[in-house]
Amino acid sequence: QKEVEQDPGPLSVPEGAIVSLNCTYSNSAFQYFMWYRQYSRKGPELLMYTYSSGNKEDGRFTAQVDKSSKYISLFIRDSQPSDSATYLCAMSASGLSGAGSYQLTFGKGTKLSVIP
Amino acid sequence: DAGVIQSPRHEVTEMGQEVTLRCKPISGHDYLFWYRQTMMRGLELLIYFNNNVPIDDSGMPEDRFSAKMPNASFSTLKIQPSEPRDSAVYFCASRGQGELETQYFGPGTRLLVL
Repeated sequence: QKEVEQDPGPLSVPEGAIVSLNCTYSNSAFQYFMWYRQYSRKGPELLMYTYSSGNKEDGRFTAQVDKSSKYISLFIRDSQPSDSATYLCAMSASGLSGAGSYQLTFGKGTKLSVIP
Repeated sequence: DAGVIQSPRHEVTEMGQEVTLRCKPISGHDYLFWYRQTMMRGLELLIYFNNNVPIDDSGMPEDRFSAKMPNASFSTLKIQPSEPRDSAVYFCASRGQGELETQYFGPGTRLLVL
């Protein structure tokens, strides 16, 4: 079993739809959870960051973490064509300190297309 | 700041040739990461440096791969000899202390080995 599983899609939705993207993981040591957005032929960029369980909202984006189920989600409200990209979840067992830390484990990414 | 800079952006080479990828991290960042991205395997960490010192190279696939960071503003990833299965997009990323888990990625180098 891979450490992080993510449905590669592709996912196609009409403009204005609510999008739900998900990842599951197996390593219970993960406590830092991130979502990166990657536009075509670009490098990934950090979109959302969450520590431990709970929700975090930033504009049209909401990140949820359920550590008991080892499941994280990213919701996009009122989706726009500019949201069309590949979304990668990433996780880390470490924080600001600790030797050998700062390693992120990425999902393979879900390709999202928002159709006008 | 110009962000993380990588060169070349595209590289096409023949099997057996040496390939050198270059990276300039964001000024002041003390962590540098090299990743490889393929459709099959996704984004994989190859090696990372802290203050120019390699910390973990367990992701480097074979001895054909080597990475150096001679100073805080420059790193190279070398493949010698290159093979067709090395074809991928190679990303460099950097981060600074106190930035939680944010890594800033460069635009990547698209490598095709024929």
